[in-house]
Amino acid sequence: EADIYQTPRYLVIGTGKKITLECSQTMGHDKMYWYQQDPGMELHLIHYSYGVNSTEKGDLSSESTVSRIRTEHFPLTLESARPSHTSQYLCASSVGPKSHYEQYFGPGTRLTVT
Amino acid sequence: SQQGEEDPQALSIQEGENATMNCSYKTSINNLQWYRQNSGRGLVHLILIRSNEREKHSGRLRVTLDTSKKSSSLLITASRAADTASYFCATDSRETMSGYSTLTFGKGTMLLVSP
Repeated sequence: EADIYQTPRYLVIGTGKKITLECSQTMGHDKMYWYQQDPGMELHLIHYSYGVNSTEKGDLSSESTVSRIRTEHFPLTLESARPSHTSQYLCASSVGPKSHYEQYFGPGTRLTVT
Repeated sequence: SQQGEEDPQALSIQEGENATMNCSYKTSINNLQWYRQNSGRGLVHLILIRSNEREKHSGRLRVTLDTSKKSSSLLITASRAADTASYFCATDSRETMSGYSTLTFGKGTMLLVSP
């Protein structure tokens, strides 16, 4: 089992609420990622970070924001949740200067916006 | 458009049979990785094959890579009910503005192994 944690595992929240999905890893990995995955579908990269104070947007346009103030922590924030944000959010981390290494995934947060 | 496309979308077999899943991609790659996802969980890395490798084994897993056809296959031999999961290929190929690459995942093959 990888040492990467996500909280909460499940979240049901009303439209317009601000939410933060937590992700932390204890492996000292420099690189961290956020993916969005709808049921039975592929993963879409929405944010990534190569280290402290570095964040980049991924392939899929997302209204979420991320921060990387500490190596081990990579939270994702939605300022105003909408039903279209309903999805599973997966956090991952990897070691190495380039993406030539395996990614370790957290268990995911399943978000439902009503 | 999606870089990796798995085929078939779903596969149902009996325990003891072999399962073969295929992945095709469009651009040149640095490496190709296979991941497994149990329902409602995160992904687990299975195996990585580099662009200069043609075949790799890990336990009951065998991965092949044909860069001329831009395709890869994952073979699971002597399947077990516990192998039931979705399997994704991911390609490491693109350079970002910062010079690093990211993984692009396919849609996955859902494997059901019946006892």
